[in-house]
Order: sequence, then structure tokens, then C-alpha cells
Amino acid sequence: DAKTTQPNSMESNEEEPVHLPCNHSTISGTDYIHWYRQLPSQGPEYVIHGLTSNVNNRMASLAIAEDRKSSTLILHRATLRDAAVYYCILRDEAGTASKLTFGTGTRLQVTL
Amino acid sequence: DAGVTQSPTHLIKTRGQQVTLRCSPKSGHDTVSWYQQALGQGPQFIFQYYEEEERQRGNFPDRFSGHQFPNYSSELNVNALLLGDSALYLCASSSHRDRGGLYNSPLHFGNGTRLTVT
Repeated sequence: DAKTTQPNSMESNEEEPVHLPCNHSTISGTDYIHWYRQLPSQGPEYVIHGLTSNVNNRMASLAIAEDRKSSTLILHRATLRDAAVYYCILRDEAGTASKLTFGTGTRLQVTL
Repeated sequence: DAGVTQSPTHLIKTRGQQVTLRCSPKSGHDTVSWYQQALGQGPQFIFQYYEEEERQRGNFPDRFSGHQFPNYSSELNVNALLLGDSALYLCASSSHRDRGGLYNSPLHFGNGTRLTVT
């Protein structure tokens, strides 16, 4: 499985935008970029995914570099409830649908 | 619409004992996967069940086994417990119809069972 690299931790002020980076230099053409987050005492929760184009949903935006070797998860206005560990995961299109390979993720702290 | 439910939420066992954890998938899902999450680490894939058979397996010993029932619910069994088996065990569900490509749908996780082995 292709690997991703994320910073161990980041901090943000509430109501400020947050940009969470992820490097995936060995990404293959069929790998989708998925983001999950894990709030304290909960299981991981899907956030967003994309292949080549930037994606938006109600939770976040995903900006994908033109060469696809990096991506950025954007939380437009962080709240205290966004404090979590954020995982960037590459998932093969071929459909090993359940096997997600998690790294250690980025722990996001949000302060008032 | 109930999400993924797991039981029990917490469990304490003694080294050498056996444990069974249970999972009910999200309504409409037929595939169940199990993950182990050690403290401070990301979840690690144990195995996946579909149509009552183990379809994929991660790098875990045979002490870890599972079962899927006709109603799609699943059990994870761990024999001869070791101190290192202490972890959060997560169940995730999905639908086999949502594999890759256009769909590439997300997994839905439960909140896990915290297993402590003493």
C-alpha cells in the first residue's frame, strides 16, 4: 500500500481556517485520496475523498496537487468540535474496499 | 437509521483467557471489517468478512478469528490473550456494491470495544 506522510500535530484558533497537509509521493494512478478523522473516544469518521479534482462537501474541502503527490484538507472555520486526529489514506480504486491503511495521522488542537 | 454498533464497550480479561467481541453493521451493509487500535496509533486492519467468509486478512496471528452471521453481524474472537492485545477494537461496515471506482464509498465505524488484558 502506498504511504502517506502527515505532521504529527497542528494547532488552530476557533473560527479560523485550517489547512492539514498530506504527502503521498508514491501515489499510483488508481489511488483515491481519503480523509478520515477520529474524535476522542469515537471510531474514525469519513470526511472526504477525491481522485484528481478538488472536492467540497459540508464538512471540508480537499485540494489535490496537480501531480497528485500531495493534498490538503481544508476546514474553513474550525470549531472546538473539530479537535481530532485526521488521517490521510490512499485507497485503491480496484476495491480492496475494507482495508484502509492508517498512519498515525495529524492531531488537531483547536483553541478559543 | 442505526449506525454500526459494538458490544461490549469495555472489557477486562486476564492473560491466557479468550474473548468474543460483537458487531452489528449499519443498515443496508453486508461487509464487516475489524481493526485493532493500540494507544497512540492508527487502526490496523485485522480481517474482513463478506458472505459469512473471511475475504481478506491483515498481519495478525491465528489467535484472532472471526465469524459472520446470516444477518451480517459479526464476532471477533481472540484466544490465549496476551498483554499486547490490550487495545481498542473497531468494527467497520460497508456494502460490497460500493467497491471502488465511481463509488469508492466510505467505511462506517463503530465506537469500538476497549479491551484491557491484565
